[in-house]
Amino acid sequence: EVQLVESGGGLVQPGRSLKLSCAASGFTFSNYGMAWVRQAPTKGLEWVATISYDGSSTYYRDSVKGRFTISRDNAKSTLYLQMDSLRSEDTATYYCARAGYGGFAYWGQGTLVTVSS
Amino acid sequence: DIQMTQSPSFLSASVGERVTLSCKASQNINKYLDWYQQKLGEAPKLLIYNTNNLHTGIPSRFSGSGSGTDYTLTISSLQPEDVATYFCLQRNSWPLTFGSGTKLEIK
Repeated sequence: EVQLVESGGGLVQPGRSLKLSCAASGFTFSNYGMAWVRQAPTKGLEWVATISYDGSSTYYRDSVKGRFTISRDNAKSTLYLQMDSLRSEDTATYYCARAGYGGFAYWGQGTLVTVSS
Repeated sequence: DIQMTQSPSFLSASVGERVTLSCKASQNINKYLDWYQQKLGEAPKLLIYNTNNLHTGIPSRFSGSGSGTDYTLTISSLQPEDVATYFCLQRNSWPLTFGSGTKLEIK
C-alpha cells in the first residue's frame, strides 16, 4: 500500500524558516518524481514544486522560487521542502504527492504551516 | 502561465442524475489534464489522468473527455458519496495550474 506521511508543519514567524518532510513507503521511491501542493485555508489547490526521480531536475512556482527548495533522499525514501523567508501568504496545508505520467496518483494527509507573528 | 477555468463553481444535483463538470484552459494543453476529488477535511484524490484514463480503484461512473482547451468530467449516475469539490489540473507546462474547483452537492 502506498503511503505518504508529511511532518514538520507548525507555527512560524514571518521571515523564519521551516523544513517539511514526507516519508514514503509501499513503492520504489527512487522511480518516481515527487511534488508539493498546498492549500490555503478554505481555498483551492496550488502547485508548489516538483522534483524528478533522481533529484536532477526541480521546478517551482514563481512565488516560492528562491525561497523554497525541494529535495529528496532516495536512500531514506523521503522528500523534503525547505522553506525560507516565510510570508503570511505561505500559510497553508502542504501535501506531498507522487508525480508521474499518470498525474498525482497518491497524496499524503497534509501538514499545516501557519506563518504569523 | 496557463489559466484553468472551471464551471460551474457550485452544482446541486439529485442522486442518480448525470452530472457534467467543465474545465477550460487558456491555451492548448494537449490532453495533459487530470481530475481530482477532495472531500471535506481530506486530501485530494486522483480520479482521471490525461483526460480520460480512470485511476486505479475509481468507479466506472466517472469518466473524462476533451481535447485542446476544453475538458469535461462526467459522473454518469450521481451517488451520495460523490459530494466533494472537484479540481482539474493541467500538466502540459510549468507552472502546473489547478482550476478553482467545482463544489458538488446532493439536491
